Amino acid sequence: DAKTTQPPSMDCAEGRAANLPCNHSTISGNEYVYWYRQIHSQGPQYIIHGLKNNETNEMASLIITEDRKSSTLILPHATLRDTAVYYCIVRVLHSGNTPLVFGKGTRLSVIA
Amino acid sequence: EADIYQTPRYLVIGTGKKITLECSQTMGHDKMYWYQQDPGMELHLIHYSYGVNSTEKGDLSSESTVSRIRTEHFPLTLESARPSHTSQYLCASSQSTARYYGYTFGSGTRLTVV
Repeated sequence: DAKTTQPPSMDCAEGRAANLPCNHSTISGNEYVYWYRQIHSQGPQYIIHGLKNNETNEMASLIITEDRKSSTLILPHATLRDTAVYYCIVRVLHSGNTPLVFGKGTRLSVIA
Repeated sequence: EADIYQTPRYLVIGTGKKITLECSQTMGHDKMYWYQQDPGMELHLIHYSYGVNSTEKGDLSSESTVSRIRTEHFPLTLESARPSHTSQYLCASSQSTARYYGYTFGSGTRLTVV
């Protein structure tokens, strides 16, 4: 799986959009970008994933650059409950026998 | 709405005791995993299973053992608990044929060995 780079921490004002960047310059053509988050030592929760098109669901939007070397997870109206560690992971969709590896992620603090 | 269950949620136990952390899922997922996480630190994979009677060790060396006799059940055992085993243990599952190959995690077991 390609390596990802994320800022260690970010702050966001409540009600504003939180934009979390991820660099994955070595991504290969069949690798997807996945985002998970972990709220205060609960188990990580899947948020969204994408290949090259932008994706949106009820939780967030994922914007992937045209060259696919970076992406941004957008929480459109951050709330205090969005305070969590956010993990960006790159991997093939059906990775066979390769389990998910979580890096250090970005610790997002939403401030009232 | 969690379909993966871990028990106990918290466990405080003395050194030298044998313990088993339970993990069960009702989703029929073929793959299951155990991760270990110290407070404020990264998640580390310690064991995984791709089906019944299949188990593998993860990236982080662990003195624990696992078994997968039934699809829905993936218990983790420590034969002799030590203070160095104090940590949070998170179980997860996934379905290899799932559209997005996402993982579902349990709520974790927070283990303290005194």
